[in-house]
Parts: sequence; C-alpha cells; structure tokens
Amino acid sequence: DAGITQSPRYKITETGRQVTLMCHQTWSHSYMFWYRQDLGHGLRLIYYSAAADITDKGEVPDGYVVSRSKTENFPLTLESATRSQTSVYFCASSGKTGGRDEQYFGPGTRLTVT
Amino acid sequence: GQNIDQPTEMTATEGAIVQINCTYQTSGFNGLFWYQQHAGEAPTFLSYNVLDGLEEKGRFSSFLSRSKGYSYLLLKELQMKDSASYLCVMNRDDKIIFGKGTRLHILP
Repeated sequence: DAGITQSPRYKITETGRQVTLMCHQTWSHSYMFWYRQDLGHGLRLIYYSAAADITDKGEVPDGYVVSRSKTENFPLTLESATRSQTSVYFCASSGKTGGRDEQYFGPGTRLTVT
Repeated sequence: GQNIDQPTEMTATEGAIVQINCTYQTSGFNGLFWYQQHAGEAPTFLSYNVLDGLEEKGRFSSFLSRSKGYSYLLLKELQMKDSASYLCVMNRDDKIIFGKGTRLHILP
C-alpha cells in the first residue's frame, strides 16, 4: 500500500526495556520526522532525517536513537524506556526541504511504559 | 509550541463561521501551515501561507500578515465533521514548530 505506515500501533512495555518503533514510507520522500504528542505540549520533534544516513536532533531527543539506512525506513528506538516516554508517537515524511513542504503523517503509535 | 499562541478551545454552531487565530514570533519566519487533527488520528495538511493575504480552499481559508505575526484559519458552513483540533505550525528557519492546537467543538 502506498503511503506512510507505523508499527506497532499500540505497545505496552516496562521501564528499562528497549523498544523500537517502525516507520515506512513508499513515496521516496527525502525528509522523515519523529514527533511525540502529549496533552498540553502539542507535537514535539524528536529527530528528523534529510536523507539516508543523515539524521539530526529535534527539540526532545534525549533517550531516543534513530537510524536511516534506507530512504523508506526511519526506526525510532527507546534504549531504556521510562514512564515519561509514555506518549503517542507520529512519524511523518515530506518531499522537499522539511520546513517548506507539507508533511504526511503516519497513523501513530500509542506507547505506554509501565 | 515555541512562541506560537492560539486559543486552547473554541465552540461554534453547525452551519456558522468560525475564525481561529494564531500569533507567532516573527524572527526567522518563512511560512505558516495549518493542519487539522481529529481525535485519535494523525494531523492532515490544510494550508501553507508564505505571502500576506487570504488563500481560499473551498470552505476553508487561511490568512497571513507577516508584519504583524498573525494568521487565522476561517471555516465556513461548519459541519459536524469539522470537530477537530487545528494546529498552527510555523516554518522558522526551515524548521517546523507546532503550536499546541485549538480544539474546535461544533454544536448541532
């Protein structure tokens, strides 16, 4: 299917465990982003990537790791999950310079850390 | 969001018109997006304004004043499906900054 997908859609994990959230897009967009959305904060940028093998920190990168070995995939790893990382995570992609083009969002992953 | 202000909640009646305002800090400004987000769903793109003025897309219009650091989203002929959050999103130095969103409630 064309578009942008995320997996899993829902995840419950325990404090201290490693968790990887997957993001896949089929448009060959250059830019990909990871956001978290929490009540009272809106969407906050965690990491973004301008192309394969190029990643950069966003507003709230601590506790997260990303990689982008292929253009279409942009996984987000929580190395040692904490309760403060309970959130809804959205992946997005855009075709042009990230700030000048609309972003297409995946359906989100709802993560609960117990 | 960083220096983006929009009302937290608004209520309007089906069939009416509503204007959602957004003010932002003008330093590094390159453009302004509006996104719609229904509860439990992902944001979807509505508009992108770079130049001053009003841009109309069907029932939705977006206005920008660069000198005043001000934008609004105008929704006409409101429908129940317009109940959603509306996100004011700034392009600052080619980085995207999201406002916290305005939750719009539509009454029948």
